[in-house]
Amino acid sequence: GQQLNQSPQSMFIQEGEDVSMNCTSSSIFNTWLWYKQDPGEGPVLLIALYKAGELTSNGRLTAQFGITRKDSFLNISASIPSDVGIYFCAGQLRTRAGGTSYGKLTFGQGTILTVHP
Amino acid sequence: DTGVSQDPRHKITKRGQNVTFRCDPISEHNRLYWYRQTLGQGPEFLTYFQNEAQLEKSRLLSDRFSAERPKGSFSTLEIQRTEQGDSAMYLCASSLDRWDTQYFGPGTRLTVL
Repeated sequence: GQQLNQSPQSMFIQEGEDVSMNCTSSSIFNTWLWYKQDPGEGPVLLIALYKAGELTSNGRLTAQFGITRKDSFLNISASIPSDVGIYFCAGQLRTRAGGTSYGKLTFGQGTILTVHP
Repeated sequence: DTGVSQDPRHKITKRGQNVTFRCDPISEHNRLYWYRQTLGQGPEFLTYFQNEAQLEKSRLLSDRFSAERPKGSFSTLEIQRTEQGDSAMYLCASSLDRWDTQYFGPGTRLTVL
């Protein structure tokens, strides 16, 4: 099935460093979401973006919805050990009633983040 | 805890056996989604329900897969005649309505020997 292109695949950083990851798609989404998944658990929503060009922050996390609606990035500032995990971008296409595939999420392959103390 | 729950958390079965998973969504959430996640990949959409109606099924959902949500509350996902390729994490998510946040459960990890 279709997945978004997410990069990098993995990152090894020192505690305190900033992190940046991005996600691109060949098709347009009108909602972009970033999730974090810990081992053996389901994804947890970090940030949701609803408008092209939108820049949204959640604590040390900042995400942007690309103006082409085909990309998004996530920044984590001043990383800490508990930031370790897998980060997924997801696109959602919100169509009008009668449209197909509305509501479902299309995910990237994930970025594995390791933070060394 | 009032989050999405899934049962069992782990299932090991032999090829050819049937398995059934259960998902209990957050109370009063109308939408319920099933996703499948294989190792090293993001979740992939399988199917979703609006109350008790199954409204969309992915091409990933072969004839061996069936999902139900009989009373618009909990849902079950059954896989018949399991194959090794069915080994994956099966995730359930629920949302209050169409465009609301999808909250994921912890998943059921299936291993087919």
